[in-house]
Amino acid sequence: KAGVTQTPRYLIKTRGQQVTLSCSPISGHRSVSWYQQTPGQGLQFLFEYFSETQRNKGNFPGRFSGRQFSNSRSEMNVSTLELGDSALYLCASSTDRGGLANYGYTFGSGTRLTVV
Amino acid sequence: GQQVMQIPQYQHVQEGEDFTTYCNSSTTLSNIQWYKQRPGGHPVFLIQLVKSGEVKKQKRLTFQFGEAKKNSSLHITATQTTDVGTYFCAGAAGNKLTFGGGTRVLVKP
Repeated sequence: KAGVTQTPRYLIKTRGQQVTLSCSPISGHRSVSWYQQTPGQGLQFLFEYFSETQRNKGNFPGRFSGRQFSNSRSEMNVSTLELGDSALYLCASSTDRGGLANYGYTFGSGTRLTVV
Repeated sequence: GQQVMQIPQYQHVQEGEDFTTYCNSSTTLSNIQWYKQRPGGHPVFLIQLVKSGEVKKQKRLTFQFGEAKKNSSLHITATQTTDVGTYFCAGAAGNKLTFGGGTRVLVKP
């Protein structure tokens, strides 16, 4: 069974640009969550999607957005990149059968974004 | 909002020794999950605790969920070099899963 796939693995962007990251969850998983991980801040929750609807949102500025498609694949977009956006962006999927946040997450390997 | 705190932030352990990391939530949890992230890797789900006072074991790892369902602990016995990494707890409340800051474990051979 394939795991959670995130593309690309590495990305270098310039300040002011925008970026789109992609996440393909495990087949059958309908819940997809995104996290930002930096050395000093740990795992910071960005948002969660379930059946194409944003169910939860963290405390990030509006420059961070996401969406989920009918096949559960998800994308997140960051516009007007800032140096502080450099981080590892992790996607996690879950079966979420009948209970919110009640099942363990399977994380992808992440996309390491560097903003220069 | 819900906060999940983990202590210690860093744990230096001599190989063969035991140690415990603690997780405390500001709110009552429906369940708590533990993850391990190896250096350069991504978090990997270890276990989920649901019931008050629940204790689960995985080989040398013992996980406990507090009676009030607001705290948890992970105890590792006879630490090995393979235990190196960061251990995260994540508390579920309502429909949100909040991660603690993690305990980074360094093992001295």
